[in-house]
Amino acid sequence: EDQVTQSPEALRLQEGESSSLNCSYTVSGLRGLFWYRQDPGKGPEFLFTLYSAGEEKEKERLKATLTKKESFLHITAPKPEDSATYLCAVRDNDMRFGAGTRLTVKP
Amino acid sequence: KAGVTQTPRYLIKTRGQQVTLSCSPISGHRSVSWYQQTPGQGLQFLFEYFSETQRNKGNFPGRFSGRQFSNSRSEMNVSTLELGDSALYLCASSLEVGNSGNTIYFGEGSWLTVV
Repeated sequence: EDQVTQSPEALRLQEGESSSLNCSYTVSGLRGLFWYRQDPGKGPEFLFTLYSAGEEKEKERLKATLTKKESFLHITAPKPEDSATYLCAVRDNDMRFGAGTRLTVKP
Repeated sequence: KAGVTQTPRYLIKTRGQQVTLSCSPISGHRSVSWYQQTPGQGLQFLFEYFSETQRNKGNFPGRFSGRQFSNSRSEMNVSTLELGDSALYLCASSLEVGNSGNTIYFGEGSWLTVV
């Protein structure tokens, strides 16, 4: 069965402490891997779309990478405003979301 | 450019009632999909509409239904509400039908509480 697994479930960082979030997936035919950020009480905000292994995208302190079995969201020198839940989703015929990683960045 | 707009933002309903939620997609987007988000189950796909036709459906009971209008606006309906239907209902839009790999953009959601 197609699955999307995100790890860790929760991550606490000090401001400036870089880290990575993982999204591993098993789908029959990947048509896209998506990263979103969700703040409490709000809808998910689009960050990146990746389509093929080896692809990388960057935006400010965030960088997303993709292999054939997983994607990483690297956060460089995070700030408190980066605190949010980060969601990964994969599309084959359906769109499947992981449970998310809840990131807290302390000043 | 306006984003995805959902109404109402918050509502409280009684068990057994029915509810209709509305979604206006980003201008030019022709595909609309709906999701249910709960703390226990996360984000789960309900259904997707493109050109007024349901293209895909998730694993939800028939009490959950939707439709899309010729201007791409969409509504979803939940009949005979149950306590477990309390959730954040999210609408998302994209340029083309979802399995093309297009990015989907979410609205802020409609918070439904069933009492």
